Amino acid sequence: GENVEQHPSTLSVQEGDSAVIKCTYSDSASNYFPWYKQELGKGPQLIIDIRSNVGEKKDQRIAVTLNKTAKHFSLHITETQPEDSAVYFCAASMNAGNMLTFGGGTRLMVKP
Amino acid sequence: EAGVAQSPRYKIIEKRQSVAFWCNPISGHATLYWYQQILGQGPKLLIQFQNNGVVDDSQLPKDRFSAERLKGVDSTLKIQPAKLEDSAVYLCASSPIFEAFFGQGTRLTVV
Repeated sequence: GENVEQHPSTLSVQEGDSAVIKCTYSDSASNYFPWYKQELGKGPQLIIDIRSNVGEKKDQRIAVTLNKTAKHFSLHITETQPEDSAVYFCAASMNAGNMLTFGGGTRLMVKP
Repeated sequence: EAGVAQSPRYKIIEKRQSVAFWCNPISGHATLYWYQQILGQGPKLLIQFQNNGVVDDSQLPKDRFSAERLKGVDSTLKIQPAKLEDSAVYLCASSPIFEAFFGQGTRLTVV
């Protein structure tokens, strides 16, 4: 089955700096890659996603890039703010409506 | 639009007891998932429903876990009997096609 690895496990940045989280996946059949933000005591919240027919997608301060050949994708957050502090999860799925396989998570801490 | 509703939020039980969790998905979402999230880890799929049929339950410990989705809407997940290692957050999610939207989860502590 699919295996998703996520790095780093923790990331501390200064407010205003950029943060990058990287994930690799094992199954070349995967074609949908969402990113979730999880705050303490809450469920994961979808923040951005990308499908395998595009290489990059941007939404305000967040962007995701996908390299299908290398089987890796990354989340980029620019101009970080304290409210960006949370645990971020990447995930991969093979087809519409199929299960998501999650990475282990990255705890992002943005210092004011 | 209302999100995925789950109850209870918290549950503490002794090992070997039984427990049930309830989920009401977003209206119109055909796909419903139950995930288990152990502290410090990413969510892991337990079972996936499409309407009221099971699509994938390969990772559900069927000797103690069961789930149903009556009439293709609400779902319940049951554990009987519970073990210490079942302590986790149980997340319900629903999906129209690709995107999965999660509820707040039920935090289960087995003592």
